[in-house]
Amino acid sequence: QQQVKQSPQSLIVQKGGISIINCAYENTAFDYFPWYQQFPGKGPALLIAIRPDVSEKKEGRFTISFNKSAKQFSLHIMDSQPGDSATYFCAASMNNQGGKLIFGQGTELSVKP
Amino acid sequence: GAVVSQHPSRVICKSGTSVKIECRSLDFQATTMFWYRQFPKQSLMLMATSNEGSKATYEQGVEKDKFLINHASLTLSTLTVTSAHPEDSSFYICSASGTPPNEQFFGPGTRLTVL
Repeated sequence: QQQVKQSPQSLIVQKGGISIINCAYENTAFDYFPWYQQFPGKGPALLIAIRPDVSEKKEGRFTISFNKSAKQFSLHIMDSQPGDSATYFCAASMNNQGGKLIFGQGTELSVKP
Repeated sequence: GAVVSQHPSRVICKSGTSVKIECRSLDFQATTMFWYRQFPKQSLMLMATSNEGSKATYEQGVEKDKFLINHASLTLSTLTVTSAHPEDSSFYICSASGTPPNEQFFGPGTRLTVL
């Protein structure tokens, strides 16, 4: 019930295309859903995050869509660029657990020029 | 976002030695710090959670006597890998959060290689 399932494991997108990564969770007590971007040999960097009281959040080319009833959330990267090539992790946490993050398995995105 | 640093960025040590990794929050007070390890092509695995001035809470399967965590101040936490062995070779990453606790900021990671 604590798991967050992420798909796909890897994704290849052409430059200018839309990259879509999906995550699903079981525990309805989760109240914070961040996405992290990680480049090889670096720590993850917070990209965008959403709370369950909104269905969508957009920051620049990055959008989170959140479906509370389906217990799913997704990351959309518009106009994907080669510089977006990285591993992306979704995560979920509960405020009453001190912010402990449960991570998805990760998606390796490759944007081809 | 807030800045978290780690030192060293890379360390190579001989089997049986101990290694200390520092994690600092540079521009905010971190009430909670987290330590993760990450193997190649895998997700982050939480090792322990530490609150300033308290004993760390270790995840199931993580040996507390092998991975010593100290969170002595609101800006510094240390992870000491005691009697390191080659299987401890990994990428160790810390993160820090303030108030509210949800948002975590990650350090750049420390690559540990045990020969």
